[in-house]
Amino acid sequence: DVKVTQSSRYLVKRTGEKVFLECVQDMDHENMFWYRQDPGLGLRLIYFSYDVKMKEKGDIPEGYSVSREKKERFSLILESASTNQTSMYLCASRYRTDSFYEQYFGPGTRLTVT
Amino acid sequence: AQSVTQLDSHVSVSEGTPVLLRCNYSSSYSPSLFWYVQHPNKGLQLLLKYTSAATLVKGINGFEAEFKKSETSFHLTKPSAHMSDAAEYFCVVSEGSGSARQLTFGSGTQLTVLP
Repeated sequence: DVKVTQSSRYLVKRTGEKVFLECVQDMDHENMFWYRQDPGLGLRLIYFSYDVKMKEKGDIPEGYSVSREKKERFSLILESASTNQTSMYLCASRYRTDSFYEQYFGPGTRLTVT
Repeated sequence: AQSVTQLDSHVSVSEGTPVLLRCNYSSSYSPSLFWYVQHPNKGLQLLLKYTSAATLVKGINGFEAEFKKSETSFHLTKPSAHMSDAAEYFCVVSEGSGSARQLTFGSGTQLTVLP
């Protein structure tokens, strides 16, 4: 079974703090994704990584950066957290970039910025 | 360009009655289509996927979906709803390769199952 784990289920941070969200997958998948999920807006792609050290901006990259130094780990960084980044963050991985491969999701991190 | 429309944001059914969650897509290519389910405070779990083989796809927990190219639809059905089916369901279209922008999520349908 593919397993995608996220470092925290719940996180509370203060405005202006630097925040790290970690995601680890154990199936040697090439692709990894970060989404945020907000009520009424569905899932929105923040960043995507094809492979180690490779990244691509998604639909809403502003205020975020990512790091992929190892194949199994994909980190999302909030450089200076703001209240409008309060959200549920979901990490996913996929075997390869071809369209017929499904994504596997982690349980999510609910981040509150106060 | 591709898009996905989930026609109902909320669906309510009684336990034991059929479930129908509607999804229409737009795609320039031969797409792959997926249905995911998200239970409260959980991540998304794959229910089923269509990848240009059989047009009727069976998934987990008794769900199935039929790919209808002429109607550009991929509706999710289940003959008899169970209380544990209450969750949010997402339809996803994926086409081509080479970029995550080829993945498009629907806005979700919240399924309520009444006792």
